[in-house]
Amino acid sequence: DIQMTQSPSSLSASVGDRVTITCRASQRISSYLNWYQQKPGKAPRLLIYAVSSLQSGVPSRFSGRGSGTDFTLTISSLQPEDFATYYCQQSYSTLLTFGGGTKVEI
Amino acid sequence: QVQLKQWGAGLLKPSETLSLTCAVYGGSFSNYYWSWIRQPPGKGLEWIGEINHSGSTNYKPSLKSRVTISVDTSKNQFSLKLTSVTAADTAVYFCARGLGNCTSTSCWFDPWGQGTLVTVSS
Repeated sequence: DIQMTQSPSSLSASVGDRVTITCRASQRISSYLNWYQQKPGKAPRLLIYAVSSLQSGVPSRFSGRGSGTDFTLTISSLQPEDFATYYCQQSYSTLLTFGGGTKVEI
Repeated sequence: QVQLKQWGAGLLKPSETLSLTCAVYGGSFSNYYWSWIRQPPGKGLEWIGEINHSGSTNYKPSLKSRVTISVDTSKNQFSLKLTSVTAADTAVYFCARGLGNCTSTSCWFDPWGQGTLVTVSS
C-alpha cells in the first residue's frame, strides 16, 4: 500500500490566516493526488484533483501544488466556513489510499 | 446534477453480513466507476472497492475475502456486502462516484452519498 502522511494532524488558525497542509506519499505518485474537505457529520467534498485542478464551485483561495512524494494544500485567507478536516488521497496505485487528515480549528 | 442516496441496516451483530445500497440520480451511470469508502468513528477514510456498469470490480486486498460489490444497471444502483462483520467494521460507509481514469491511475471522488453509520455490537 502507498501510505499517505499528512502534517500537521491538527492546527489552530484565525480567520484571514494563510494555512498550508502537507501530504507526503511513501513512494512517488507523480501527480495523482487529490484533496477533500470534510465537516462534522457530512460526507467529504472534493476540493482539488490532480494536484492543482480546482473542482468546480470551489473558491479560488484553495490551491494545491507538488509532485513526486510531497504535496501541499494552501488556503490563502481562511474563512469561517473553512474550519474542517482535510484529507489527501492518492490514485497512483489501484489500491486507493487517503491521508490521516488535518483538522483546521480556531 | 448527480446525487447519490444510500441506505441499509445500521445495527448488526458480530458475524452478520453488512448490506448497503447506493442509488444514482441525475446523471450517467454507465461511464464511471462507483466506490464504497468507510470511516470509523473519529478516524480517517478507507477505500473498500469499486465497480463499473459492466460489473468489473476492484477491492482492497485486505477486505477482498469478505467484500462483494454488485451493480443493478436497470435501477442505477450499486451495492456493498461485507460478511462476517466485527466491531472493527463499525464505521460510516459512503458511496461515491469515481472521476478521472479509475481503471488505472488518476481517480478522484465526487459526489458522495450522505453516509450510513453501521454499528457492529452484540
